[in-house]
Amino acid sequence: GAVVSQHPSWVICKSGTSVKIECRSLDFQATTMFWYRQFPKQSLMLMATSNEGSKATYEQGVEKDKFLINHASLTLSTLTVTSAHPEDSSFYICSAPTSFDEQFFGPGTRLTVL
Amino acid sequence: AQSVTQLDSHVSVSEGTPVLLRCNYSSSYSPSLFWYVQHPNKGLQLLLKYTSAATLVKGINGFEAEFKKSETSFHLTKPSAHMSDAAEYFCVVSSGGYNKLIFGAGTRLAVHP
Repeated sequence: GAVVSQHPSWVICKSGTSVKIECRSLDFQATTMFWYRQFPKQSLMLMATSNEGSKATYEQGVEKDKFLINHASLTLSTLTVTSAHPEDSSFYICSAPTSFDEQFFGPGTRLTVL
Repeated sequence: AQSVTQLDSHVSVSEGTPVLLRCNYSSSYSPSLFWYVQHPNKGLQLLLKYTSAATLVKGINGFEAEFKKSETSFHLTKPSAHMSDAAEYFCVVSSGGYNKLIFGAGTRLAVHP
């Protein structure tokens, strides 16, 4: 099956700094990618839809200035958590569809903000 | 709006016994439904999907699910649990738009020897 990678898998940063997370589709192109957030022992919440060559679409309640998304190419989307604070600590997961009903998920990135 | 409800947050079974993970959905039109599994420190893996074809869907690792429109249910079953089945399971519905997925709260399956 298709492979989606994320980098880094785990990051620790100080409060107030910015962190960039990469999501890559390794063997297919994706004009759309999705970013999710998962709190411990909870479900995945869709944060935003990343669109290659255009602005991301954010879900209600997600701060677009806080979570910057850039879909620079057909295989790469990045999520930047700006001025991170402890409440931003979470597990961030991306996904990319290969066809209308099949999505592949990255392994996730665990962010810890001290 | 579409939504999905997983009726059990935790399910515990003995190895070799059947597994039943319950899911009910709400949708204003014919939905696409999925079951995903999440093992610790691993990415989400698709178990099976329903997309308006056969109502009984067979997936990987012996899992299957039946779409019942009259009951708005899509329960996941497996005849005989294996220790390796212990994981978090998510029932998911596709919500309008292109590939937008709505996740249920998840069911943690524990399998005891």
